[in-house]
Amino acid sequence: EAGVAQSPRYKIIEKRQSVAFWCNPISGHATLYWYQQILGQGPKLLIQFQNNGVVDDSQLPKDRFSAERLKGVDSTLKIQPAKLEDSAVYLCASSSAGQATEAFFGQGTRLTVV
Amino acid sequence: TQLLEQSPQFLSIQEGENLTVYCNSSSVFSSLQWYRQEPGEGPVLLVTVVTGGEVKKLKRLTFQFGDARKDSSLHITAAQPGDTGLYLCAAHFGNEKLTFGTGTRLTIIP
Repeated sequence: EAGVAQSPRYKIIEKRQSVAFWCNPISGHATLYWYQQILGQGPKLLIQFQNNGVVDDSQLPKDRFSAERLKGVDSTLKIQPAKLEDSAVYLCASSSAGQATEAFFGQGTRLTVV
Repeated sequence: TQLLEQSPQFLSIQEGENLTVYCNSSSVFSSLQWYRQEPGEGPVLLVTVVTGGEVKKLKRLTFQFGDARKDSSLHITAAQPGDTGLYLCAAHFGNEKLTFGTGTRLTIIP
């Protein structure tokens, strides 16, 4: 079974530029998560989808971050414009519906804003 | 805002020693998970606990869920260099939002 796919693996941009990340979850998984992980810290949930609806986006900086999950399958996360403090690893995860289910993670996209 | 506090934040011990890391919250959660993350990779699930007071063992790792379901611990016996990594607890709160703890970075010295 294929895992969660993310691209790109690495991205370097200048501040005020825009960037987009892509995630393809495990087939059949209804729930998709985007996390931001600052070096040495635990992942911080940015947005959680259930199929193509948003379950939680309370920690998504909506003035610059946006995410969509069209057709309830793959998802994109965009930052526009980027700030230096956005430098982090962006992790995508998916799980089948329901609590206590395992979240499967992709390898992440390491973003550096200079 | 992180609702799950982990301690210690960093831990470096010699191979063969035992250790315990903790995950605490002021809120009750319906289930709690422990993940391990290695550099350049996403977190990987180790265990899920759902019942207050539950104890689960995974080889040299012992996981305990507090009776009040507000805390958990991970105990490693006879640590090995392969145990090195970032250990994360995670829980579902309220509307099934999956929240991670602050993490414990463990280094086992050969």
